[in-house]
Parts: sequence; C-alpha cells; structure tokens
Amino acid sequence: SQQGEEDPQALSIQEGENATMNCSYKTSINNLQWYRQNSGRGLVHLILIRSNEREKHSGRLRVTLDTSKKSSSLLITASRAADTASYFCATSSLSNFGNEKLTFGTGTRLTIIP
Amino acid sequence: NAGVTQTPKFQVLKTGQSMTLQCAQDMNHNSMYWYRQDPGMGLRLIYYSASEGTTDKGEVPNGYNVSRLNKREFSLRLESAAPSQTSVYFCASSPWIISGANVLTFGAGSRLTVL
Repeated sequence: SQQGEEDPQALSIQEGENATMNCSYKTSINNLQWYRQNSGRGLVHLILIRSNEREKHSGRLRVTLDTSKKSSSLLITASRAADTASYFCATSSLSNFGNEKLTFGTGTRLTIIP
Repeated sequence: NAGVTQTPKFQVLKTGQSMTLQCAQDMNHNSMYWYRQDPGMGLRLIYYSASEGTTDKGEVPNGYNVSRLNKREFSLRLESAAPSQTSVYFCASSPWIISGANVLTFGAGSRLTVL
C-alpha cells in the first residue's frame, strides 16, 4: 500500500480562493516533499520539509508537518488558473543501506475555476 | 538546459514484443530512477541506480530490466511486454540518493500501450 495518502482526491475552487490538501503517512520519515503534475507532463518539485521542521513557506505555498499525527498539509493561497494540476506528497525514509527511498501518494486533483 | 529527456514519448506494442525506453540527464546527477504511473496508484518505483555502475530493484521490478549505461543514461527494457505493463513511465534523476534531501527531477513521461 502507498505510504502517503492525499485527501481529498479531487478539489475544485474558485480562482482567488485558498486550496488546502492533506497527506497522511504510516511510518517515520526523513523528510516529506510535495510535487505538482500538470496534465500530460512530468512531476515538478515544489517544496521539501524535513522531519524536524513544522512549517515552511515558498511564495504562495505553505506546508505544515505534524510528525505526531503523521500528516502534512499543503496550502496554496490566492489560487490561479495555472495552479490547476495534480499534487502529490512523497515521503522519504532511509533504507538499511542509507539510501533515501521516496514513496509517492496517489495525488489530489486540483481544479481552479476562473 | 534540457534536464531529463525520455524517448519515445508514445509507443504501442503487441503482447510479447520487446522494447527499451531511453533516459538521459544533463545535470550531472548521480542517481536515476524509473517509475510507472497508473490511475489511482500514484507513482511506483520500478528500478533505481544510486550511482553509475549500480542498479537496484524498486517496488515493482518484475518484467523489467535496466542498464545504467554511463552517468547520463539509464534505460528501461521490457523483454516480453504484457498488457499489465500498459502505463506511463517516468524517468527521474537526483543529485545523490543519500543526501538526506533527495529532490527528484522528472522527465516528461513515456506512454506505453501493450495490446
């Protein structure tokens, strides 16, 4: 089963509103990342938050991490039509050999209505 | 700066045929990956190469082989394609898999249909 599970699976909001999507995971992590995927394209890295951080900002993006609840949220403020995409969380854990294993969730499909 | 380049973008195969997906990166990254993306399944890791000369199995390696040809190139081969391998395949690279902040750069994807 997937380590990261995004919620909701799909979200539609009006342009200018804020969009919040959540990610829950099951085991301890090294860091958690969010990626965006536009239709028919590859994934693009948005932001990384380490396990010892609680909140991080990048432009209109705000990510929180609650390791006690094993959950993260991605907030996109003042949404734009160009934010229409699928958003994936990816949890990072270390293997026995020290390799960093990234496990992706199933994604949240965000639609911004002009 | 091209980043990660995958070829071909689209391919249709018949069951039992073989093919190789090519991937090249120009960012001098050490680590490279192959993922497949299926509806409702997210991305699943097929194989990865932590550094030139090494390859390891990921979550779903059965039916695939890989070759890390040099630091730039990492190919994925389907020896005998099956309908279950119909998917979108993504190649990715990262500076170093043991960096502790392993951020991936993805290619645009290769859509494979097996009839």
